Amino acid sequence: DAGVIQSPRHEVTEMGQEVTLRCKPISGHNSLFWYRQTMMRGLELLIYFNNNVPIDDSGMPEDRFSAKMPNASFSTLKIQPSEPRDSAVYFCASKVTGASYEQYFGPGTRLTVT
Amino acid sequence: AQSVTQLDSQVPVFEEAPVELRCNYSSSVSVYLFWYVQYPNQGLQLLLKYLSGSTLVKGINGFEAEFNKSQTSFHLRKPSVHISDTAEYFCAVRDSGNTPLVFGKGTRLSVIA
Repeated sequence: DAGVIQSPRHEVTEMGQEVTLRCKPISGHNSLFWYRQTMMRGLELLIYFNNNVPIDDSGMPEDRFSAKMPNASFSTLKIQPSEPRDSAVYFCASKVTGASYEQYFGPGTRLTVT
Repeated sequence: AQSVTQLDSQVPVFEEAPVELRCNYSSSVSVYLFWYVQYPNQGLQLLLKYLSGSTLVKGINGFEAEFNKSQTSFHLRKPSVHISDTAEYFCAVRDSGNTPLVFGKGTRLSVIA
């Protein structure tokens, strides 16, 4: 299995531009998570989906952030407009439904907003 | 809600010395506990997990952790570290149910030659 796939791996953009991060979960996994990691705040859960349905988006910083999961094999995290404080590494993770199962993380997207 | 405390943000240790990374969680009737490792510029990988049964759990790369219910702790240990163990280590917990893992803030292990 290829694992969780994220694209792009690196993104550099200017303030005010729209940014779209993409994630393909592991086949057969029906829970998907978006995290953000910074030096200051550590690893933060932004939003998660079960069976393509958003369950908890309370971690999304503000209305500039949105996430979708149109089908079981694809999710996007969009930032519009982007700001320098959005610079971080964004991770996607997926798992099989069930409390005992671990989350598998993708390699992350390093976003730099100038 | 569950919470996880990793008491040490940074732990320097000499190569071939033992190490313990501490993790405490808020109490719950039942929990599932995990340790993840993050090497530089990579995602998080599972080291080991405790679901039930034996309180001593063995993981990859020679790491082990002990679940202590009375102390609400799940400390990670390795008897002899290598340079390649330099990484950030995250403790995580989940209650019964299909909720996301709650992560600690991480401990940066630096192994010195």
